[in-house]
Amino acid sequence: AQSVTQLDSQVPVFEEAPVELRCNYSSSVSVYLFWYVQYPNQGLQLLLKYLSGSTLVKGINGFEAEFNKSQTSFHLRKPSVHISDTAEYFCAVSGIGSNDYKLSFGAGTTVTVRA
Amino acid sequence: DGGITQSPKYLFRKEGQNVTLSCEQNLNHDAMYWYRQDPGQGLRLIYYSQIVNDFQKGDIAEGYSVSREKKESFPLTVTSAQKNPTAFYLCASSVGGDGYTFGSGTRLTVV
Repeated sequence: AQSVTQLDSQVPVFEEAPVELRCNYSSSVSVYLFWYVQYPNQGLQLLLKYLSGSTLVKGINGFEAEFNKSQTSFHLRKPSVHISDTAEYFCAVSGIGSNDYKLSFGAGTTVTVRA
Repeated sequence: DGGITQSPKYLFRKEGQNVTLSCEQNLNHDAMYWYRQDPGQGLRLIYYSQIVNDFQKGDIAEGYSVSREKKESFPLTVTSAQKNPTAFYLCASSVGGDGYTFGSGTRLTVV
């Protein structure tokens, strides 16, 4: 089974400042890793995913994440945030080679961008 | 455009009543999932189905039931046995392990 820990429940940040959202995972098998964003009363939108290859993954809206296998981490970063980045962010993992590809989610990080 | 449609967007349930949440996809995905979202707890898996006429319990299946009679449809029934059903419910589908699509959700409230 896989599990995810998002280390920060809330992250306040000023507009145009950088932000980092931390995610650690646990798994006995190789994994796929995902970051999703959710705006109020909406579904989840994929920001980026790591499947294989380069450990630095670039996603939409200027976000990027780095897969670190030795530290079992997949932290999300953006060099300069906008007011519109205010949302909840979820890290998720699925096990490669398992029969069902279930996604396991972290508890989420609420990002609030202030002017 | 292909996607997942959840309906209704808002749903109100009286005590002791069963309600059914709809989830339809036109992506030709084999696998479909139901998640429950509560504040501060992320998304928890209720049920999932990898193929028509087959489904498995997730982490919090008690008080819920599902069916998968068609590839496109995976309805979720919240039964009276679910003691705390007020939550946001999300349906998803996938092909393999690397491509998930989520619906826009149904917010269920007990009145």
